[in-house]
Amino acid sequence: GNSVTQMEGPVTLSEEAFLTINCTYTATGYPSLFWYVQYPGEGLQLLLKATKADDKGSNKGFEATYRKETTSFHLEKGSVQVSDSAVYFCALRVYGQNFVFGPGTRLSVLP
Amino acid sequence: KAGVTQTPRYLIKTRGQQVTLSCSPISGHRSVSWYQQTPGQGLQFLFEYFSETQRNKGNFPGRFSGRQFSNSRSEMNVSTLELGDSALYLCASSWGPETNTGELFFGEGSRLTVL
Repeated sequence: GNSVTQMEGPVTLSEEAFLTINCTYTATGYPSLFWYVQYPGEGLQLLLKATKADDKGSNKGFEATYRKETTSFHLEKGSVQVSDSAVYFCALRVYGQNFVFGPGTRLSVLP
Repeated sequence: KAGVTQTPRYLIKTRGQQVTLSCSPISGHRSVSWYQQTPGQGLQFLFEYFSETQRNKGNFPGRFSGRQFSNSRSEMNVSTLELGDSALYLCASSWGPETNTGELFFGEGSRLTVL
């Protein structure tokens, strides 16, 4: 079956620090890959996505590159802000199948 | 355009009762999925509906059921509530399963507390 593994955290960083959240996957078929973010008290929002190998998704300073050879989609940001404090979910979708989400990584950014 | 709307946002029930949650998808979206989110289990897939038909179902007992109407609005029902059913129930809509790259758009969720 399809699955997503990501570091569960919590991850605590100081403002302006570099962020990496690792995500690896297994999939039967060729998946599209996603990062979602959930702010306190809210639902999930799409942060970025990539649909084929070597694609780089980017949004709000966050980036992730679809690496087929390592089955990975690590999330990075060069300089985090307090407002980035949230839970981040890595996810995949194979054609015709439902989304599969990782367990989520809680990020806390301290001023 | 309006996002995914879930009602009610918060509700409190007692064990043994039943609950119905509602979800209105983004206009034009024909697929609706439901997820249960708890601190211990994370996001767990409940079911997906497309054109009034259940396409996929997660590993939940039969007490959890759902349906989709012709206007794509969806409801889920939980009967004989247990304490462990306390969770945030998230609804998400998308254009349809044939769109491989289509993302899910989530509502803000219905937070159910079972006492």
